[in-house]
Amino acid sequence: GAVVSQHPSRVICKSGTSVKIECRSLDFQATTMFWYRQFPKKSLMLMATSNEGSKATYEQGVEKDKFLINHASLTLSTLTVTSAHPEDSSFYICSAGPMLGEKLFFGSGTQLSVL
Amino acid sequence: EDQVTQSPEALRLQEGESSSLNCSYTVSGLRGLFWYRQDPGKGPEFLFTLYSAGEEKEKERLKATLTKKESFLHITAPKPEDSATYLCAVHPSRDYKLSFGAGTTVTVRA
Repeated sequence: GAVVSQHPSRVICKSGTSVKIECRSLDFQATTMFWYRQFPKKSLMLMATSNEGSKATYEQGVEKDKFLINHASLTLSTLTVTSAHPEDSSFYICSAGPMLGEKLFFGSGTQLSVL
Repeated sequence: EDQVTQSPEALRLQEGESSSLNCSYTVSGLRGLFWYRQDPGKGPEFLFTLYSAGEEKEKERLKATLTKKESFLHITAPKPEDSATYLCAVHPSRDYKLSFGAGTTVTVRA
C-alpha cells in the first residue's frame, strides 16, 4: 500500500528556536499533502493544505508566519515551526493520498516538545 | 459546519467481549465516511471507507456500517492487539477536507 514517511518522530527544542518536520510520499506522487495537529484525546485539526509548486492554504486561525509550509516536489512537503514556544508543543501529522480525499495515508507523526 | 461526535470516549473490554463504537455526524453532502485506527504516538492507519447508507465493510474482527446519521464500528471477539484509538472522519462533497471525531480509545484486557 501507499506509504507516507514523516520525520523526526520526536523533537525537543528550546523556546525561540525553529523546527522542521518532513513528510515524504514514498511510492506515489502527491500534488497535495495535508498537515494536522493533534492534542491529547482531541480530534485531528487540519492546519493547512500543502500544494506542490504553490503557496499552502491555511485554515482559519492558523498563523502562516508561524507554521511555514514548503511543498518543493511531488514527494516532499515540510512544515517549519518558527520561533517555537511551549504552546506549540503538540503532535503534528502529515497525510497524502494517490486519490485526493478518497483514501488518505498518514505519516507516523512528530511529537514536538518546546521547553 | 460539519460535526463528528464519537462515543463512548473510552471503552474497556474483556478479551472476547464484543462491542460497538458510534460515530454520529452532520455534514452537508457526504462523499465518504472513514474509519482509522491510531496507536499511541503514531499516525492514523486506514481501515474503511463507507460511501452510502446501508453499506457495510468487514476486516478481520472489525465491521463498519453506515446510516444517514451515524456509523458503527463493531468489534467481534476482540483481542488485546485490537487495543487502540479508533477515529471516524467525514469527507464532505463540497471540498477535500476531512473532519475528524475525537476518537474512542479501546482497551482489551486478556
